[in-house]
Amino acid sequence: KAGVTQTPRYLIKTRGQQVTLSCSPISGHRSVSWYQQTPGQGLQFLFEYFSETQRNKGNFPGRFSGRQFSNSRSEMNVSTLELGDSALYLCASSLGPQETQYFGPGTRLLVL
Amino acid sequence: GNSVTQMEGPVTLSEEAFLTINCTYTATGYPSLFWYVQYPGEGLQLLLKATKADDKGSNKGFEATYRKETTSFHLEKGSVQVSDSAVYFCALGRGGSEKLVFGKGTKLTVNP
Repeated sequence: KAGVTQTPRYLIKTRGQQVTLSCSPISGHRSVSWYQQTPGQGLQFLFEYFSETQRNKGNFPGRFSGRQFSNSRSEMNVSTLELGDSALYLCASSLGPQETQYFGPGTRLLVL
Repeated sequence: GNSVTQMEGPVTLSEEAFLTINCTYTATGYPSLFWYVQYPGEGLQLLLKATKADDKGSNKGFEATYRKETTSFHLEKGSVQVSDSAVYFCALGRGGSEKLVFGKGTKLTVNP
């Protein structure tokens, strides 16, 4: 069974732009969570989706948003990019909200 | 709130040495506990998990026991290999999912 896939793997943007990252969960998984990983803050939870509904949201500004589609694929969007948004963005999927999360390889975003 | 504290690295060992990476947690109720591993340039891989007190998770020679009395989940391996060089993250979650809370990570380097 294929694992979690994330596209693109690498991205370079400039301040003020916006970006959309995509995540395809493991087949049959219906929950998708997003995390931001930076050297300074470590791994921080962004949000969790199940059945197209956001169930949890981390402590991030409103510039960070996401959604989930009927096929469980998810996207996250960051608007008005700041230098501090440079990070590895990880997506994780699970069968449901009470199940173990499996991570994708991440999208590395660099904001210049 | 929930939190995880890991021993700070980096940890450098010789091949076949014994490994311990300490992890303690603070949480209300009965969380599930996880160890994830991140190899250079990759996402997180689930290494092992435990869902209740006294459970022992094990995988690839790694073991960790859920100790409620000491709120700990220390990772151990009897004989490390060069291929074990990676960053190890301890994490807790409610019911296996829902905003995993991670420790800061411990970088392990194993020399031949």
